[in-house]
This record gives sequence, C-alpha cells and structure tokens, in this order.
Amino acid sequence: QPVLTQSPSASASLGAAVKLTCTLSSGHSRYAIAWHQQQPEKGPRYLMILDSDGSHRKGDGIPDRFSGSSSGAERYLTISSLQSDDEADYYCQTWGTGYVVFGGGTKLTVL
Amino acid sequence: QLQLQESGPGLVKPSETLSLTCTVSGGSISSTSYYWGWIRQPPGKGLEWIGSVSYGGSTYYNSSLKSRVTISVDTSKNRFSLKLTSVTAADTAVYFCARHPDRTGWYPFDYWGQGTLVTVSS
Repeated sequence: QPVLTQSPSASASLGAAVKLTCTLSSGHSRYAIAWHQQQPEKGPRYLMILDSDGSHRKGDGIPDRFSGSSSGAERYLTISSLQSDDEADYYCQTWGTGYVVFGGGTKLTVL
Repeated sequence: QLQLQESGPGLVKPSETLSLTCTVSGGSISSTSYYWGWIRQPPGKGLEWIGSVSYGGSTYYNSSLKSRVTISVDTSKNRFSLKLTSVTAADTAVYFCARHPDRTGWYPFDYWGQGTLVTVSS
C-alpha cells in the first residue's frame, strides 16, 4: 500500500495563493489521490480527485480558487485568493480496492 | 443532497464494545455503485480508515483493526453500523461515516458525516 506524506503546517497571507504538497511513496507515483478540507470542529469536505497527469475533478460547489496539479510522485493543491475560512486542515487520500490511506494532514494558517 | 449522520453513545467503558450507526438521508444506501465507510480521528491527530461495507454486505477492514471490527448494513433502515470490541483509551476519537463510489474500482470519499466523539473511560 502507498504511504502519503504531507508537511504538518503551511501559512500564507489573506488574498495570496498557497500550494500544498502530498507525496506518494516510492513505487506508487502513478496513483490518483483526493484532497479533503477539514475546517475546525467540522467533518471533512471532499475537494477533488487528482490524477497522476494532473487532471482533476472537483466536488460539488468547490470554488474555482481550488485547483490541483501533479509532478511525478507529488500531488499539489493550490488555493488562490486565500480567504479566512480557508484556514483548515487539508488531507490527501489514496486507495485501492480493499484499502484506504490518508496522509497526515497539513494545517493551513491564513495570516 | 446526500446527508450522513452518526449516532451512538459518547462514552464507552474500557474492554466494552463501541457501537455506532450512520443514517443516510437524501439517497439510498441500496446502490451497487457505492461503499459506505467509517473513519476515525483521535483528538489532535489525523484521519484513520476503519473499514467499508457495500449494500450487499461485502466488507473490507483496516488490517490494524480487523480483529476487533464489524461493519454491517441495514438496507431497510437506510443505515450502516460499526462495532469495535475490547476498546481502550486509544480508541477515543471522533468517528465519521462517509460514502465512496465504486465504479470499476473504488473512488475517494465524496460525502462525509459531521462526526461523533466517543470517549473510552471508566
């Protein structure tokens, strides 16, 4: 099974853009992932599925400010025009039939 | 709009069995296109998949919890359930239920419940 690695924290200023990274373990660079957002005291919210070629499909109602991209074993979530309610934990997820794996999450602080 | 709602006791004693139910509204649990899963999050920590069940009752479990977990589905009540036996303080967590599509293979969780905190303490 793949292992997903995320930086524990990130920060960016209100109105700026930020790029979060999720890295797939060796031998698993072709895997698709998903990004989820978890605001404080809430359940996670599905943002998008992101393929190894960088194509992505967002969930219902997810703003255009959220986009995904890929490079090798790295999967990125870019949030532009940061708003205060983007301050949240962001988790990547991958899967195969019969298993699900989450990254450790990145806590995003909006300054 | 699909909604999932967890319910069950918020406090469980050590060595006892944790039991939770997830009620699905705004859609049917009886679809071949989806699996229904449980995920937990210890206080201040990340997400851990517990297991998933299809409407037909097929189950998959996290290998680290497999010996203690049972997930079942009740299509007549449009809900599915989690049982975790022999709990310890390490099982204290917010427990989420969620849906994930199954179309020529699994897809990620696309709808989540709001979660319910279960504390294991005497």
